Amino acid sequence: ETGVTQSPTHLIKTRGQQVTLRCSSQSGHNTVSWYQQALGQGPQFIFQYYREEENGRGNFPPRFSGLQFPNYSSELNVNALELDDSALYLCARSLSGTSGRVSYNEQFFGPGTRLTVL
Amino acid sequence: GQNIDQPTEMTATEGAIVQINCTYQTSGFNGLFWYQQHAGEAPTFLSYNVLDGLEEKGRFSSFLSRSKGYSYLLLKELQMKDSASYLCAVRDRGYSTLTFGKGTMLLVSP
Repeated sequence: ETGVTQSPTHLIKTRGQQVTLRCSSQSGHNTVSWYQQALGQGPQFIFQYYREEENGRGNFPPRFSGLQFPNYSSELNVNALELDDSALYLCARSLSGTSGRVSYNEQFFGPGTRLTVL
Repeated sequence: GQNIDQPTEMTATEGAIVQINCTYQTSGFNGLFWYQQHAGEAPTFLSYNVLDGLEEKGRFSSFLSRSKGYSYLLLKELQMKDSASYLCAVRDRGYSTLTFGKGTMLLVSP
């Protein structure tokens, strides 16, 4: 249990539609990252938000956009859905930890939203 | 950019030891993570390496050689529940995001 929740768990949309996915955390993690994971692939970084501002972006088009709110919840919006957008969308919160000799910034993943575009 | 390679699939038997390798080529490096992901679930953290050497955590150990761009995850006393995908991920120096490999699907048989 990572304390990160996402909604909805599953979603079916048709090509051209718009979708909003949500992520929230029980703790005040102030950094949130979104990843897209296609079937049989590793997660791919979409973007990261820190204190409500975009703090880095992967190789995704502008129709992928996001928001982070003062309560640290976050949204991922995708416009003009395409068939290839079908994937598991993961939200990850960052938290500092220690492993042996070093400290690090671990990412805790939510359960994900399975998006199917028909 | 980052390029991360790991085998697609591996099989092993219950009680055995398995080593999953990961090689990476990066423009920046600020740590390497291993995650376990069961089908339909989110990745869960297993280990972190940023210095060369071995980190041990119960049945799981992870090794890093920065000069060789190489890491491995060692799983001992395999159990059926260890059947899952194992993801190698490198953190870019710029921010705390991760670049993942495609994952290694491990099947543990009786």
